[in-house]
Amino acid sequence: QKEVEQDPGPLSVPEGAIVSLNCTYSNSAFQYFMWYRQYSRKGPELLMYTYSSGNKEDGRFTAQVDKSSKYISLFIRDSQPSDSATYLCAMSEALRGAQKLVFGQGTRLTINP
Amino acid sequence: KAGVTQTPRYLIKTRGQQVTLSCSPISGHRSVSWYQQTPGQGLQFLFEYFSETQRNKGNFPGRFSGRQFSNSRSEMNVSTLELGDSALYLCASSKNTDTQYFGPGTRLTVL
Repeated sequence: QKEVEQDPGPLSVPEGAIVSLNCTYSNSAFQYFMWYRQYSRKGPELLMYTYSSGNKEDGRFTAQVDKSSKYISLFIRDSQPSDSATYLCAMSEALRGAQKLVFGQGTRLTINP
Repeated sequence: KAGVTQTPRYLIKTRGQQVTLSCSPISGHRSVSWYQQTPGQGLQFLFEYFSETQRNKGNFPGRFSGRQFSNSRSEMNVSTLELGDSALYLCASSKNTDTQYFGPGTRLTVL
């Protein structure tokens, strides 16, 4: 079993829809949770990061972490065609000191105009 | 502020050869991490360097190695290339107290 599980999709939704992306994990030592967006033939771009449990909002994006359930989510409101990309969740045990991100498989998202 | 740069962007090699990839981190970032991305395995951690010292290593064979220079630039080397080493190799930098920022990657094809 992988440390981080993420549904690879693909996920296709109409423009303007609310998108929900999710990851589950097994390592209870994970404390830092990140979402990256990766366009085709590009490197991952950091979207959101949160520490421990709770919600964080940035514009149309909301990240949620539920450590008791070992479950994290990313919500995209008013989705746009430019949001079409692969979304990767990533986690680490410690942000200070030696860093090792563990990634989900990535969900390929398409927003249809 | 310039982002993480990686060279070369594309590389074609044959089995048995070796390859060296280069990464220049964001100015002021002292930590450099390397990842391998493949369709089957996704993004996997290779190793991380800070102040010229390897602090963390993933589960890759000894054919994969790296180093970091005093200016924080980093190189990774893969010796005796295998077909399965074909992948996108990503470098990420951070200040050590912040999250990681990725470069565009080097796409390696092994024939």
